[in-house]
Amino acid sequence: GAVVSQHPSRVICKSGTSVKIECRSLDFQATTMFWYRQFPKQSLMLMATSNEGSKATYEQGVEKDKFLINHASLTLSTLTVTSAHPEDSSFYICSVQGRTEAFFGQGTRLTVV
Amino acid sequence: AQRVTQPEKLLSVFKGAPVELKCNYSYSGSPELFWYVQYSRQRLQLLLRHISRESIKGFTADLNKGETSFHLKKPFAQEEDSAMYYCALSGRNQGGKLIFGQGTELSVKP
Repeated sequence: GAVVSQHPSRVICKSGTSVKIECRSLDFQATTMFWYRQFPKQSLMLMATSNEGSKATYEQGVEKDKFLINHASLTLSTLTVTSAHPEDSSFYICSVQGRTEAFFGQGTRLTVV
Repeated sequence: AQRVTQPEKLLSVFKGAPVELKCNYSYSGSPELFWYVQYSRQRLQLLLRHISRESIKGFTADLNKGETSFHLKKPFAQEEDSAMYYCALSGRNQGGKLIFGQGTELSVKP
């Protein structure tokens, strides 16, 4: 199966600044990665589909200018939360679709103060 | 609308008791159904997929298209089964996009 690594695992930033989260597929070439958001004690909500070499596809209600996704290579997708606000504080998880199942990163806990 | 519903937020049982975690779905088409598990301080991982029809760690799940359900069952719960369980759905030809249920926390007491 694929090994997916997210970095950082935790980040605290000031309101108004931007934060970049990396998602790496260590042993699998991923043309597609997914970004999810999870609020405390709630489900994972798909934010966007990251497509290698092309624009990301965002789910309804997700601001593409706020959550910038870049998938420049087959092993790396980045999610940048721009001009972060406290309401952006959440747990962000990426996944890679393998041949038969999805493999998840360990998640990034973002806290905006 | 595409939706996955897990009605129980928390399920608490004693070791050795049977367990059933409920999952109902709404999808226009032929979905693929999955159960994912997240143990404490670990990442989400696949437990079962309906296509494979296998038993993993003693858990089974049968897709009931008539009732649009995919309940997860285990006849004798173990303490190490304590975790968060998420039912998820993916449409065919959707490239792996998953719609998750709200999750059920299973607590198995000694």
